[in-house]
Amino acid sequence: KAGVTQTPRYLIKTRGQQVTLSCSPISGHRSVSWYQQTPGQGLQFLFEYFSETQRNKGNFPGRFSGRQFSNSRSEMNVSTLELGDSALYLCASSSSLTAFNTEAFFGQGTRLTVV
Amino acid sequence: GEDVEQSLFLSVREGDSSVINCTYTDSSSTYLYWYKQEPGAGLQLLTYIFSNMDMKQDQRLTVLLNKKDKHLSLRIADTQTGDSAIYFCAERKPAGNNRKLIWGLGTSLAVNP
Repeated sequence: KAGVTQTPRYLIKTRGQQVTLSCSPISGHRSVSWYQQTPGQGLQFLFEYFSETQRNKGNFPGRFSGRQFSNSRSEMNVSTLELGDSALYLCASSSSLTAFNTEAFFGQGTRLTVV
Repeated sequence: GEDVEQSLFLSVREGDSSVINCTYTDSSSTYLYWYKQEPGAGLQLLTYIFSNMDMKQDQRLTVLLNKKDKHLSLRIADTQTGDSAIYFCAERKPAGNNRKLIWGLGTSLAVNP
């Protein structure tokens, strides 16, 4: 079956703009989580969704938001982009919240560059 | 703090064993993980260990957990050039509102022929 699909793969935006990233989990998976990866900070947890509800949230400002649709696809939005938002944004899916304890499938990520 | 610490680089010769070390933060963390990241290939869960285990072996991979010292290690036997990648250690915080993965910065493993 198809893996986790993230679109777009690459994105260049200017400061102040907003951006929406998309993640389609593996078919049948209902849990989606998002991470930001930067060389200096490593991987930082953004949010986790299950059944269209945000179940957990990391320590990011309110400019970072997300949602999950009834088909389990998820989007994250970053408003008023800053240079420091340049990063690889990774999405992971699992069949349930507890399943994420022992299985997690990551997409290839969206590389966002803010100029 | 919330820092999971790993050395940043490791270089080994093909055929040797690699040992990647990690120090985590929370003695109540439930699961500890090793992930592998190859360029352009996303993150791949290599193995995990539950906090009540001391050791887990899976083919060429051996995970050792020292809960008292909050130390986790990954040993790769007979390291191959295809093992060259960045290896991330991560800990799963206990259940509840703070349930999340805390990651190390990754150890870049270079395997020399």
